[in-house]
Amino acid sequence: AIQLTQSPSSLSASVGDRVTITCRASQGISSALAWYQQKPGKAPKLLIYDASSLESGVPSRFSGSGSGTDFTLTISSLQPEDFATYYCQQFNSYALTFGGGTKVEIK
Amino acid sequence: QVTLKESGPVLVKPTETLTLTCTVSGFSLSNARMGVSWIRQPPGKALEWLAHIFSNDEKSYSTSLKSRLTISKDTSKSQVVLTMTNMDPVDTATYYCARIRRIAVAGTFDYWGQGTLVTVSS
Repeated sequence: AIQLTQSPSSLSASVGDRVTITCRASQGISSALAWYQQKPGKAPKLLIYDASSLESGVPSRFSGSGSGTDFTLTISSLQPEDFATYYCQQFNSYALTFGGGTKVEIK
Repeated sequence: QVTLKESGPVLVKPTETLTLTCTVSGFSLSNARMGVSWIRQPPGKALEWLAHIFSNDEKSYSTSLKSRLTISKDTSKSQVVLTMTNMDPVDTATYYCARIRRIAVAGTFDYWGQGTLVTVSS
């Protein structure tokens, strides 16, 4: 199965900061990557698909980039409601996988 | 609007078989561009994809859990059922069903159920 490694596993940031999260795949997955946001006690929410396409209704401060094995999720100006855990997910193979998650905490 | 709702036991004993049902509304299980997946999350841990099924009955399973999982659907009832055999305490988790929007061989999860916590304990 394709493994996804996220870094960092956690980070502390302030409101207004630019935040970047990285996801690395164990083999090339083209642009078959999605990003999700999960808040405590809630189901994940789709933010980005196809590595860089913004899901409808998601604020434009979220953006994704990358292809092959290296991907990033960027929050251009962190807002109070963005403190959450973020996961990447690949869909290049029939066996889907998620990254280990990145928790974004308040500094 | 699209909704998914998980149902099943909250407590199962070790070695028992877990059966979970996902009832969907707002879309049809016969839609070729959609499917339903099961995903779980142990307390405080990461998400783990388990299985999915599409309208043409195409199924895929987690490599590590394939021998224990069976996914099926009843289109007329708008339900997708997951069974997991030989449950163990390490299978304690919140189990989610999610709609998978087909892209290439699989896809992304655009709608999720609220999740159901299943505890495995004697």
